[in-house]
Amino acid sequence: NAGVTQTPKFQVLKTGQSMTLQCAQDMNHNSMYWYRQDPGMGLRLIYYSASEGTTDKGEVPNGYNVSRLNKREFSLRLESAAPSQTSVYFCASWLGHGASYEQYFGPGTRLTVT
Amino acid sequence: GQSLEQPSEVTAVEGAIVQINCTYQTSGFYGLSWYQQHDGGAPTFLSYNALDGLEETGRFSSFLSRSDSYGYLLLQELQMKDSASYFCAVSSGNTGKLIFGQGTTLQVKP
Repeated sequence: NAGVTQTPKFQVLKTGQSMTLQCAQDMNHNSMYWYRQDPGMGLRLIYYSASEGTTDKGEVPNGYNVSRLNKREFSLRLESAAPSQTSVYFCASWLGHGASYEQYFGPGTRLTVT
Repeated sequence: GQSLEQPSEVTAVEGAIVQINCTYQTSGFYGLSWYQQHDGGAPTFLSYNALDGLEETGRFSSFLSRSDSYGYLLLQELQMKDSASYFCAVSSGNTGKLIFGQGTTLQVKP
């Protein structure tokens, strides 16, 4: 049982390049989330998927797109990276309403945009 | 809008008790969660309060007052390994999405 996995762990991009961050969970959770964390700051929600087939914007969605590929996988795409997107990206999952409110986080992707 | 406030840093000695406060402003409040994050690591869940009162889990307790929009995390019998950042987070609505505070860095000294 791996929990929440993310790839890659580290990435360096040049301004204007694109990339997709991958996230998968093996806990049969319904909801999945993408957060970013800038140095010394809390986590900010980028996008979330409350259930398979749905996605919605969070606090800071500009410059990102997401795909809930199936129940297990939720990817985050940067179409044209900017230095302001340098951050640590965390994916998380949650079983769903009525269950424990614990969200499980992946190990993070450390992204630098030069 | 939604906002949370917590102290940026707290220092305490091993074996002591420390309280980390969190005040929030939000619409559609469902509950208050606490997460721990060690340097370079992923956040891990500590506790959740939906109703007023105290929830105890081992050395950690969390309190909520919905009328005051206030909660705290209480850490007892502090250990060196408790040195970490602690985040309060509000959930609003039944989607599970969280709004995080900026975090409190706890330094435990010998």
